[in-house]
Amino acid sequence: GQQLNQSPQSMFIQEGEDVSMNCTSSSIFNTWLWYKQDPGEGPVLLIALYKAGELTSNGRLTAQFGITRKDSFLNISASIPSDVGIYFCAGPVSGGSNYKLTFGKGTLLTVNP
Amino acid sequence: DADVTQTPRNRITKTGKRIMLECSQTKGHDRMYWYRQDPGLGLRLIYYSFDVKDINKGEISDGYSVSRQAQAKFSLSLESAIPNQTALYFCATSVGTGAYTQYFGPGTRLTVL
Repeated sequence: GQQLNQSPQSMFIQEGEDVSMNCTSSSIFNTWLWYKQDPGEGPVLLIALYKAGELTSNGRLTAQFGITRKDSFLNISASIPSDVGIYFCAGPVSGGSNYKLTFGKGTLLTVNP
Repeated sequence: DADVTQTPRNRITKTGKRIMLECSQTKGHDRMYWYRQDPGLGLRLIYYSFDVKDINKGEISDGYSVSRQAQAKFSLSLESAIPNQTALYFCATSVGTGAYTQYFGPGTRLTVL
């Protein structure tokens, strides 16, 4: 089945640093979603991407839909302690008509004040 | 008030017991999902439902059953709980047609002793 590979698995950074993470697949996706999960909470949608090459920002977060449609990137600028959490990428399962999503295994971000 | 609620938020039970996890939504969405989260494994789909009369198995449905009592309610049952079902369980909803974005509840932490 379709798998999404996220990297890195975890990151330990200092407050103020920029962060980059990515998600890759051997399959083409027509939509990429980025979620954040705060400790003890459910995932919350950060950014949705619908078109190859699309670059979308949400505050300090910027995500890009890779031109090959097989990857996506999420960048966080000037990290702050509340950026701590798990970041997931997701995309519709092959075919898309059943509206199921497949999720990456997540990138765990730790920000040291 | 939260759009997607889950009860209970935490539950400890013993092997062999029957457990029901409940999910309610006020978003008016037709599609509802149950996921399981284990450390390092991301989110895995247990069951999903596109309307009250439609129930579908996900990738890890063995040992679980569901009931869609109404558009707004989707329950997950563990008929005879076992320790490897200890995990975080999330309910999610989506509009469906034309949109892949899923909205998650806060989760239920289940421990099976």
